[in-house]
Amino acid sequence: GAGVSQSPRYKVAKRGQDVALRCDPISGHVSLFWYQQALGQGPEFLTYFQNEAQLDKSGLPSDRFFAERPEGSVSTLKIQRTQQEDSAVYLCASSAGTGEYEQYFGPGTRLTVT
Amino acid sequence: DQQVKQNSPSLSVQEGRISILNCDYTNSMFDYFLWYKKYPAEGPTFLISISSIKDKNEDGRFTVFLNKSAKHLSLHIVPSQPGDSAVYFCAASGSGEAGTALIFGKGTTLSVSS
Repeated sequence: GAGVSQSPRYKVAKRGQDVALRCDPISGHVSLFWYQQALGQGPEFLTYFQNEAQLDKSGLPSDRFFAERPEGSVSTLKIQRTQQEDSAVYLCASSAGTGEYEQYFGPGTRLTVT
Repeated sequence: DQQVKQNSPSLSVQEGRISILNCDYTNSMFDYFLWYKKYPAEGPTFLISISSIKDKNEDGRFTVFLNKSAKHLSLHIVPSQPGDSAVYFCAASGSGEAGTALIFGKGTTLSVSS
């Protein structure tokens, strides 16, 4: 299909390890978002890209979280020195661009930090 | 402080009856609202949306109503079907501009029994 894809779907990391989560947005979508969803909660915004520019990173919880989208397509969310509180589902969403409110989500990556 | 609230964690209805899911918000600057449906181990799927300049939007079995003065919106599903059983999230556009972060409620789990 032509939807948003994410990999890996599941990741188990030992506390202190670095992880990298990948997002492939819908082809041609200008805007890309990362969200974090804790158990029993709604998704919470982490960061936003318009093409390769990171326009908003106000939701990143600490400087251990870093996101990039170097060519304006695929994006990677990196978490350094993972902590137990980082355990969550990380969702990527894309939208066609400015003027489009609807965001289309990938299946998410479930991160478990042990 | 939650800006988007879904006060009912769960709702059970019989097949063929109406399901009404409710959502309240606090920020009067929100100008676009969306409903997403989520099955286990999948990402949220866009369902229906409404602009703040409207009070109703209908798409097949799904209708969203917006009451701006009460800062309240609701999703009506008629008739409900067992396949509608899922978690439903209400979301609002955060800054009045398309392409910015969505703010989600905690979700309501709908169970439709046959």
